[in-house]
Amino acid sequence: DAGVIQSPRHEVTEMGQEVTLRCKPISGHDYLFWYRQTMMRGLELLIYFNNNVPIDDSGMPEDRFSAKMPNASFSTLKIQPSEPRDSAVYFCASSLPGQGLRGYTFGSGTRLTVV
Amino acid sequence: AQKVTQAQTEISVVEKEDVTLDCVYETRDTTYYLFWYKQPPSGELVFLIRRNSFDEQNEISGRYSWNFQKSTSSFNFTITASQVVDSAVYFCALSGLSSNTGKLIFGQGTTLQVKP
Repeated sequence: DAGVIQSPRHEVTEMGQEVTLRCKPISGHDYLFWYRQTMMRGLELLIYFNNNVPIDDSGMPEDRFSAKMPNASFSTLKIQPSEPRDSAVYFCASSLPGQGLRGYTFGSGTRLTVV
Repeated sequence: AQKVTQAQTEISVVEKEDVTLDCVYETRDTTYYLFWYKQPPSGELVFLIRRNSFDEQNEISGRYSWNFQKSTSSFNFTITASQVVDSAVYFCALSGLSSNTGKLIFGQGTTLQVKP
């Protein structure tokens, strides 16, 4: 079991550029979550999917953020255009139904720096 | 609304001291789950424990122990004989059954520094 795989681990980009973060959940997990971690706001849930369908995107900060899950093994979080305040660590997590209630498996995170 | 409060922002102890990290939660769900995660300096989030709202038994795992008190809505975490390797940020989290998804609400975290 390779765990939840996120790429890239680090991303540095210039303000205004498009950024795409990627996540491969654990095989068989049908829930996928995107979290953002900042010093000011802590760990915030941005969006989550069930069976590739977005269920709750109320945490997405604004229209510059979008997330997709085209299939069960891949999800992307896109920021377009990026701004310095988007600098944060973005975590992806996956779980099985009910197992989410027993704890997610988190990826290692993507540290995004927008300059 | 669900909320998790970790009032201690930072704690510093000397190695071998015992330390307790506090967690207070709010939820209207009658069935819910509480978690602790550890985030070491390397940045990953490591699952430590899950408790459900029907099980108030304290749990011990090595030097770690957890005290769940429903009456005070608290789920405190104690490290006995702390070690330098325990230095990390610790997060308490809550998931209510009403969400039916296990959506985790995190506290702000407590930074624990264990000095040699």
